[in-house]
Amino acid sequence: GDSVTQMEGPVTLSEEAFLTINCTYTATGYPSLFWYVQYPGEGLQLLLKATKADDKGSNKGFEATYRKETTSFHLEKGSVQVSDSAVYFCALGPGAGKSTFGDGTTLTVKP
Amino acid sequence: DTAVSQTPKYLVTQMGNDKSIKCEQNLGHDTMYWYKQDSKKFLKIMFSYNNKELIINETVPNRFSPKSPDKAHLNLHINSLELGDSAVYFCASSQNGGANEQFFGPGTRLTVL
Repeated sequence: GDSVTQMEGPVTLSEEAFLTINCTYTATGYPSLFWYVQYPGEGLQLLLKATKADDKGSNKGFEATYRKETTSFHLEKGSVQVSDSAVYFCALGPGAGKSTFGDGTTLTVKP
Repeated sequence: DTAVSQTPKYLVTQMGNDKSIKCEQNLGHDTMYWYKQDSKKFLKIMFSYNNKELIINETVPNRFSPKSPDKAHLNLHINSLELGDSAVYFCASSQNGGANEQFFGPGTRLTVL
């Protein structure tokens, strides 16, 4: 079945550091790929997405490129801020009508 | 207007009780979901409904019963609550199943004492 493997956390960075959170997937067909972010005490919200190979999703300074050859969708940001502290989820869909989520990576950014 | 709303936001109850969580979406989506998030932030899908029809029913105890009275509502009823049911429960919705982004509610934190 479909699966998503995310870099294990927690990840702690200093403000303005470079961020990479790795995500690889296994899926049949050509799924869409997503990154969701969950701020403390809130529900998940879409951060960015890509629907086909070589697409780059971007939002709020975050980027991720859909790499079919390496089945990856790594999340990057050039300079993180304290306000980026959150849990990040990589996900793919569709798969039998549902999305498949990774285990989440907790990011803490220190001033 | 809130896109996906859940009530209540907090629910504290005793073992053995029965409780319900309600969810409503005003986005006109055709698919709704229930997820359980544990203390380690792992997110597990429980149920999915498409146009009021159950399409995903993961390995969830029979004590959990979803009900979708219409496309905009998906409620979750839990019988005989157990300590292990303590978690945050999220409702979500999307259009055309998992192909598009999901919109999540704010969550219901259930604590079973």
